[in-house]
Amino acid sequence: EVQLVESGGGLINPGGSLRLSCAASGFSFSTYTLNWVRQAPGKGLEWVSYISTSGRTKYYADSVKGRFTISRDNAKNSLYLRMDNLRAEDSAVYYCARDLSGTYYFDSWGQGTLVTVSS
Amino acid sequence: QSVLTQPPSASGTPGQRVTISCSGSNSNIGSNNVCWYQQFPGTAPKLLIYSTNQRPSGVPDRFSGSKSGTSASLAISGLRSEDEADYYCATWDDSLYGRVFGGGTKLTVL
Repeated sequence: EVQLVESGGGLINPGGSLRLSCAASGFSFSTYTLNWVRQAPGKGLEWVSYISTSGRTKYYADSVKGRFTISRDNAKNSLYLRMDNLRAEDSAVYYCARDLSGTYYFDSWGQGTLVTVSS
Repeated sequence: QSVLTQPPSASGTPGQRVTISCSGSNSNIGSNNVCWYQQFPGTAPKLLIYSTNQRPSGVPDRFSGSKSGTSASLAISGLRSEDEADYYCATWDDSLYGRVFGGGTKLTVL
C-alpha cells in the first residue's frame, strides 16, 4: 500500500524557517516524481513545488519561488520542503503528493501537515 | 484567485445527474488534459478523473469527465449522499509552467 506521511509542521513566527518531511513507503520511491501541494484553511488547493526522480529538476510556484526549496533523499525514501522567510499567507496544510507515472496528476497524497505562520 | 474557474457550489437530489464546470484558457485546458479531485472535510484529496475522462481503479463509472475547448466538466450520475464533497479541477498551464487548480466546488446532496 502506498503511504506518504508528512511531518514537521507547526506554529512559526513570520520571517522564520521550517523544514517539512514526507516519508514514503509501499512503492519504488526513486522512480516517481513528487510534489508539495498546500491548502490554506477553508480555501482551495495550490501546487507549491515539483521535484524529478533524480532531484536535479525542480519547479516552484511563483508565490514561493526564492523562499522554498524542495529536495529528496532516495536512499531514505524521503521528500523535504525547506521554507524560509515565511509569511502569514503561507499558513496552510501542506500535502506531499506523488505523480501518476509520467503525468502531472497526483495519484497519491499524504494526510498533510499544518503550518501556521503567526506572531 | 484561482487560474481555473469553478462554481463555488452545486447541488442535487439522490439519483439525479449533476455537472460541475471548470473554465480555463488556451494555455491550460485548451491545450492540456484535465483531472478532477474529490475531497471530504478533513481529509486529503483523491484523484477522481485523469486525462480528462479516465477513471483510476476503484472509481465508480457514475463519475465521468469531458472537455470542450477551454472548458471541462465533471458529471456525476445517480447521485448518492456519499458524493457530498468538494471537487477540484486541475491541469497543466503552459504559460505558468506549472500545475493549476480550480477554486473548488462544494457539492451538496439535498
